[in-house]
Amino acid sequence: KAGVTQTPRYLIKTRGQQVTLSCSPISGHRSVSWYQQTPGQGLQFLFEYFSETQRNKGNFPGRFSGRQFSNSRSEMNVSTLELGDSALYLCASSLQVATEAFFGQGTRLTVV
Amino acid sequence: EDQVTQSPEALRLQEGESSSLNCSYTVSGLRGLFWYRQDPGKGPEFLFTLYSAGEEKEKERLKATLTKKESFLHITAPKPEDSATYLCAVQARGSGNTGKLIFGQGTTLQVKP
Repeated sequence: KAGVTQTPRYLIKTRGQQVTLSCSPISGHRSVSWYQQTPGQGLQFLFEYFSETQRNKGNFPGRFSGRQFSNSRSEMNVSTLELGDSALYLCASSLQVATEAFFGQGTRLTVV
Repeated sequence: EDQVTQSPEALRLQEGESSSLNCSYTVSGLRGLFWYRQDPGKGPEFLFTLYSAGEEKEKERLKATLTKKESFLHITAPKPEDSATYLCAVQARGSGNTGKLIFGQGTTLQVKP
């Protein structure tokens, strides 16, 4: 069974640009969550989607947004990138809400 | 405020030297506590879920236990391949019916041959 797939694995963007990250969950999983991981803050919750609806959102500015499609695939978007947005962005999928979450390999975003 | 604290931040062991990692939590009702292993440059790998005090789970050289305020990850006779960062996370009932995970900062384990 294929795991969670995130694309791209690496990205370099310039300040002020925007970026879209993609996540394909494990087949049959309907819940997708996103996390930001930095050395200073650790893993921070961004948002969670289930059946194309956002169920929860973390304490991030409105520049961070996401969506989920009918096939459970999800995307997150960051607009007007700042240097501080450099991080590993992780996607996790769960069979249902509040069950075990399985993570992808992440997308390493570097903002220069 | 829901919070997770892991200790120690770093741990160096000799191969075969058993030890324990600690995860203390403060949450508005625990739905579940999760342990993950993360290797450098990779996503966290799921290890265990614990739901109620007194529960224990084992996998190879790892054993996780849970009390009302903390969880321990016991590593018996570790090998160099057990070197990784171990993350603890909780789901709180107070956050409603969501799967939001609150993570600790992790314990980085190094096992020397």
